[in-house]
Amino acid sequence: DQQVKQNSPSLSVQEGRISILNCDYTNSMFDYFLWYKKYPAEGPTFLISISSIKDKNEDGRFTVFLNKSAKHLSLHIVPSQPGDSAVYFCAASDRRRLSFGAGTTVTVRA
Amino acid sequence: DTGVSQDPRHKITKRGQNVTFRCDPISEHNRLYWYRQTLGQGPEFLTYFQNEAQLEKSRLLSDRFSAERPKGSFSTLEIQRTEQGDSAMYLCASSPGGELGMNTEAFFGQGTRLTVV
Repeated sequence: DQQVKQNSPSLSVQEGRISILNCDYTNSMFDYFLWYKKYPAEGPTFLISISSIKDKNEDGRFTVFLNKSAKHLSLHIVPSQPGDSAVYFCAASDRRRLSFGAGTTVTVRA
Repeated sequence: DTGVSQDPRHKITKRGQNVTFRCDPISEHNRLYWYRQTLGQGPEFLTYFQNEAQLEKSRLLSDRFSAERPKGSFSTLEIQRTEQGDSAMYLCASSPGGELGMNTEAFFGQGTRLTVV
């Protein structure tokens, strides 16, 4: 049973524009959410996180929004850069382990 | 410390053979996780350790899979009698704290890609 879902397998965006990645979850026990970025042939690298007691967390070009009532979170990347082209995974923690979505492949066009 | 290290990076084996992978976590990290990732999917949880104690195992971890962390430092994942369905990327991660939360994120290694032919 997929408890974390990323319904958009891919996203193409112009360099300099905003990338918006979405994620939905079903388990109310999740209280901490993370985004990881993955390049081919490498392991996922941590990008940004948010606690369930917050609705927004910002780190440079990356902002994560959490709508707890809708069980939905999103990652905004502004402005998008060519180096942002990668697979982005949404993950949720129940404090024991992480559950991941299937990922969204972002391609930033020059 | 250079991060989580996994060995080997790639492994090709014949069906029915046994394979063993090694993971060296970041120093002082108490928790160690094993995940498996197949093409087009996100990482799937297999098992995790708190120091040397294996605290949870996924239903994905059949009897052919066994993981150890004997001294609370490095860990090994063994797959016996490999099957073609075992072909995947096996990822190891570590985290510093007792619970996954703010400032105790999991850091992943580069993974071991297993191909069973």
